[in-house]
Amino acid sequence: QSALTQPRSVSGSPGQSITISCTGTSSDVGAFNYVSWYQQHPGKAPKVMIYDVSKRPSGVPDRFSGSKSGNTASLTISGLQADDEADYYCCSYAGSYTYVFGTGTKVTVL
Amino acid sequence: EVQLVESGGGLVKPGGSLRLSCAASGFTFSSYSMNWVRQAPGKGLEWVSSISSSGTYIHYADSVKGRFTISRDNAKNSLYLQMNSLRGEDAAVYYCARDLGWHVDYWGRGILVTVSS
Repeated sequence: QSALTQPRSVSGSPGQSITISCTGTSSDVGAFNYVSWYQQHPGKAPKVMIYDVSKRPSGVPDRFSGSKSGNTASLTISGLQADDEADYYCCSYAGSYTYVFGTGTKVTVL
Repeated sequence: EVQLVESGGGLVKPGGSLRLSCAASGFTFSSYSMNWVRQAPGKGLEWVSSISSSGTYIHYADSVKGRFTISRDNAKNSLYLQMNSLRGEDAAVYYCARDLGWHVDYWGRGILVTVSS
């Protein structure tokens, strides 16, 4: 299983919107509506922000939204805030109870 | 409150073995599939292994297949990862993670495994 492809970095000013892409294949992202997104601050464990492509866990602000088209999933953060600065990873179910993570994207708030 | 606490990490020589444990609390452990996910220093997340709630179904990443063994003891609310024939590329922070059905919802704080002579 090859890692899903994400941009290395994305930046934006406070209040702006940014979108992170996550490109897989027809065997993972394209095959299942089970893409999740994780936020990871330095030295901390990841935290789920989006699951099942576009669902938000309780407590996650609605500024975070997810979508998918074909083999590419996307995470959009609107109204960017300083605390959103972190690494973000996508993850897709890949069949047979296996998962594949993305390469990770560093979000910088300018 | 869901808590996952890993233990058993440390320094091991190449070719050596290590057994990681994860103590779970705050939820009905026997009802959930569990995963191990690792993160090499400065690198991204890598799914390592999963085990179904009963322990019947087990899966591994190709990178660890034949060397690592995942197991669980539902009576002790514990998850394990036996790691044999360790290589330099296995050095990472290993996270115990609960599976909520096609995604991980809770993660432990992680435990560091260092492989060096």
